[in-house]
Amino acid sequence: GNSVTQMEGPVTLSEEAFLTINCTYTATGYPSLFWYVQYPGEGLQLLLKATKADDKGSNKGFEATYRKETTSFHLEKGSVQVSDSAVYFCALLKRAGTALIFGKGTTLSVSS
Amino acid sequence: GAGVSQSPSNKVTEKGKDVELRCDPISGHTALYWYRQRLGQGLEFLIYFQGNSAPDKSGLPSDRFSAERTGESVSTLTIQRTQQEDSAVYLCASSLVGSERNTIYFGEGSWLTVV
Repeated sequence: GNSVTQMEGPVTLSEEAFLTINCTYTATGYPSLFWYVQYPGEGLQLLLKATKADDKGSNKGFEATYRKETTSFHLEKGSVQVSDSAVYFCALLKRAGTALIFGKGTTLSVSS
Repeated sequence: GAGVSQSPSNKVTEKGKDVELRCDPISGHTALYWYRQRLGQGLEFLIYFQGNSAPDKSGLPSDRFSAERTGESVSTLTIQRTQQEDSAVYLCASSLVGSERNTIYFGEGSWLTVV
């Protein structure tokens, strides 16, 4: 079946450190891939997405590249800020008319 | 409204009671989704509506769970004879249509605690 696996948290970093949160997926065909973020006390928000292989999604300094050969969509940011502290969810969408399938989430905590 | 609205935001109920959770999607969004997030877990898909019909209800965990949607707007998730294992955040989301090109917007969730 379709599934998403992301690295266990929590991830604890100092401000300005480099961030990588690994995400791999299992799916047939060519799903669309997403990163969602949940800030404390808020709902889930779309952070970035990529709909085909080799696409790079980017937003707010975060990037992720859709790698078909490694079935991965790792999230990266060159210099994290305290305000990036949140839970990050990797997700896939198999095709139109189906629901997002989420990973378990990775908690990021950034200290100054 | 401006976003997906869910009510109640918090609900504490006794084991065995029925609960109803409400979702108001963004106006004009035809696709509506329900998810469940247990403490420390990822999001579990429950059911997907396209308009009034539910083409995918494969995630409903038991026959105690049901959902309906009227008029391409409000949806209600009903849990009958609640159990402690039902304690979770229930998230609703909506999008224009069920397409990867359309961003899915989430509500802030309804926190359900069964005691």
